[in-house]
Amino acid sequence: AQTVTQSQPEMSVQEAETVTLSCTYDTSESNYYLFWYKQPPSRQMILVIRQEAYKQQNATENRFSVNFQKAAKSFSLKISDSQLGDTAMYFCAFMKALNTDKLIFGTGTRLQVFP
Amino acid sequence: IAGITQAPTSQILAAGRRMTLRCTQDMRHNAMYWYRQDLGLGLRLIHYSNTAGTTGKGEVPDGYSVSRANTDDFPLTLASAVPSQTSVYFCASSDGRGHGTDTQYFGPGTRLTVL
Repeated sequence: AQTVTQSQPEMSVQEAETVTLSCTYDTSESNYYLFWYKQPPSRQMILVIRQEAYKQQNATENRFSVNFQKAAKSFSLKISDSQLGDTAMYFCAFMKALNTDKLIFGTGTRLQVFP
Repeated sequence: IAGITQAPTSQILAAGRRMTLRCTQDMRHNAMYWYRQDLGLGLRLIHYSNTAGTTGKGEVPDGYSVSRANTDDFPLTLASAVPSQTSVYFCASSDGRGHGTDTQYFGPGTRLTVL
């Protein structure tokens, strides 16, 4: 069975600084997908970034980038130039590479951005 | 495009009562999912549907049932609510047409309290 671990329950960062959220996972699959979702106080789950396991290049979306280390089964999220609006819960999630399959979520990291 | 809508936004329910949470998507996605979110546990899959007319059990299906009569709607029913079903419920959908690239998009959630 696949598991996703987020070992940082809470983190804080000052506005304009850079912060990295950690995620590790365990799987015997060779082909899969990894996601970071953001959940602000509004409760809406918002996709931040997605990584295909077969791609060696790390995914990037504006200020958000990942460090994907397949051998180490690590998938960290780096937020550059942090903004107050980045304050949220961040969830790392895993999905096997099937036509449709469930997402397996970590327990989340609460990020607070301070002015 | 509205995406995914859920109703009600929140509900307080007496134990033993029957409750149906509604979910509608307008993206013509094949696959739909129900998750529950509990503090410290992240999101866990309750039931899913790969296409209209089919459903499957997720990680925590006991006490819940679903139906998928058409593409757009995927209601979740609690036949006889218990306090342990107090949670925030998220509906999600994905394209489900293959290639293993399906990103799941989430509704705004329903906060359910069972007393």
